[in-house]
Amino acid sequence: EVQLVESGGDLVQPGGSLRLSCAASGFTFSYYAMTWVRQAPGKGLEWVSGISGSRVSTDYADSVKGRFTISRDNSKNTLYLQMNSLRAEDTAVYYCARHEGGGGGSVDYWGQGTLVTVSS
Amino acid sequence: DIQMTQSPSSLSASVGDRVTITCRASLGIGSWVAWYQQKPEEAPKSLIHAASSLQNWVPSRFSGTGSGTNFTLTITSLQPEDFATYYCQQYSTYPHTFGQGTKLEI
Repeated sequence: EVQLVESGGDLVQPGGSLRLSCAASGFTFSYYAMTWVRQAPGKGLEWVSGISGSRVSTDYADSVKGRFTISRDNSKNTLYLQMNSLRAEDTAVYYCARHEGGGGGSVDYWGQGTLVTVSS
Repeated sequence: DIQMTQSPSSLSASVGDRVTITCRASLGIGSWVAWYQQKPEEAPKSLIHAASSLQNWVPSRFSGTGSGTNFTLTITSLQPEDFATYYCQQYSTYPHTFGQGTKLEI
């Protein structure tokens, strides 16, 4: 059974940093591209960042480019999102999700999400 | 960035009804569209990929059509568990943009 479990969400002050983790199990993690999607309170889904299975390719939404870094440790079956220079508008539930294949494709499995709150 | 415009933003229906949600892309994206369902306080759930291919766990009353710029999600014979918010997403080009969502209500 595919499982994605996010952690690391917290209350942080504007300008602060946070690292989210997503522990994956039930599949060959290194084969699949992974992505982060967020949802601000009461709002829709927003794609944040993606990384290929081989870690060669990464992409970011303009809203987080230069502030967020996606990475993965295939030996630990874990996906990360390093978030720096956090702003109030980064407040959201952050979902980790698996793409159908190594290079991309649609998302097939989602984690349950972790809440990031940016506030003083 | 490719914009995905969903309509309607909300929709009232009854159990047993047939409903259609549309999604229009600002550029041609082939069939690189997915549909997701989200219930309150839950993570999204994947329904359809490649515009018309159902995920294994999705009942056959769901269907998707379209290519290029116009896409539809149809649910025939609505069931109580289908009342949720639905999102389309293009994955032709990064960023993989979502539509704004359609809330399906009783």
